[in-house]
Amino acid sequence: DQQVKQNSPSLSVQEGRISILNCDYTNSMFDYFLWYKKYPAEGPTFLISISSIKDKNEDGRFTVFLNKSAKHLSLHIVPSQPGDSAVYFCAALNTGTASKLTFGTGTRLQVTL
Amino acid sequence: GAGVSQSPSNKVTEKGKDVELRCDPISGHTALYWYRQSLGQGLEFLIYFQGNSAPDKSGLPSDRFSAERTGGSVSTLTIQRTQQEDSAVYLCASSRLGGRGTDTQYFGPGTRLTVL
Repeated sequence: DQQVKQNSPSLSVQEGRISILNCDYTNSMFDYFLWYKKYPAEGPTFLISISSIKDKNEDGRFTVFLNKSAKHLSLHIVPSQPGDSAVYFCAALNTGTASKLTFGTGTRLQVTL
Repeated sequence: GAGVSQSPSNKVTEKGKDVELRCDPISGHTALYWYRQSLGQGLEFLIYFQGNSAPDKSGLPSDRFSAERTGGSVSTLTIQRTQQEDSAVYLCASSRLGGRGTDTQYFGPGTRLTVL
C-alpha cells in the first residue's frame, strides 16, 4: 500500500530550465509534506517543506505547491543547475501521530548542460 | 558540527547470520529513527525512539528485527537470522525534538546490507 507515490522514476532537464517533480498521496490524514534530496552514498538531506494550511512555499530556486483536493504536490526548481542532479524524495507526515515520515520511491533528476 | 554517523558503511553477510548496525545521532537530539530503502523502493519506516518513551516499533517487518538506544544516544539495529530480502540500505535519522512536531530529520549516510 504505497501511500506516497512518485510516478516518474527519472527526469532529464536542461540547465537553466525549470524542473518539475510530482508527488501524489492517498492518506488524507497527512498534513505536512517535505522534499528530500539524495546524492549517491549520502543520506537524504532536507530541502523544503509545506504545511497543509498553505498551498505554496518558496525558498530561493525551490518552490513546493500543494493541491489538497487533488492530493498532489510538486517541486519546482528554477533555474535548474547541474548540481541539482540527484534523487528527490517526497515525504509526508501526519502531525497528529509520531513524526515518522512516509516516503515516495524517488525521482532521479538529471540536469544536462 | 558532526552529523549523524552510521557504521559500518557496508556489510556483506551470509543468510542466517546475525548483524548489528550502529547509529550515532547528532548530539542533543532526542528523537532517533531507523528507515530502510530496498532496491527500487522508497524509504520505509522501521522504528522510532523519543527520549525515554517506549519506542514505536510499528514499522519493524518481523520479530527478527530489534533495536535499542542506550543512554538516549547511540542506537543499534539488530537483524537476526538474516534473509536475502533484508538486503537494503539502512538509514538512521535524528531530530532535535521529535514527538508530533515537524522537526527536520537529519539522516546519516546509511549502511548497505547485502545478504548472500
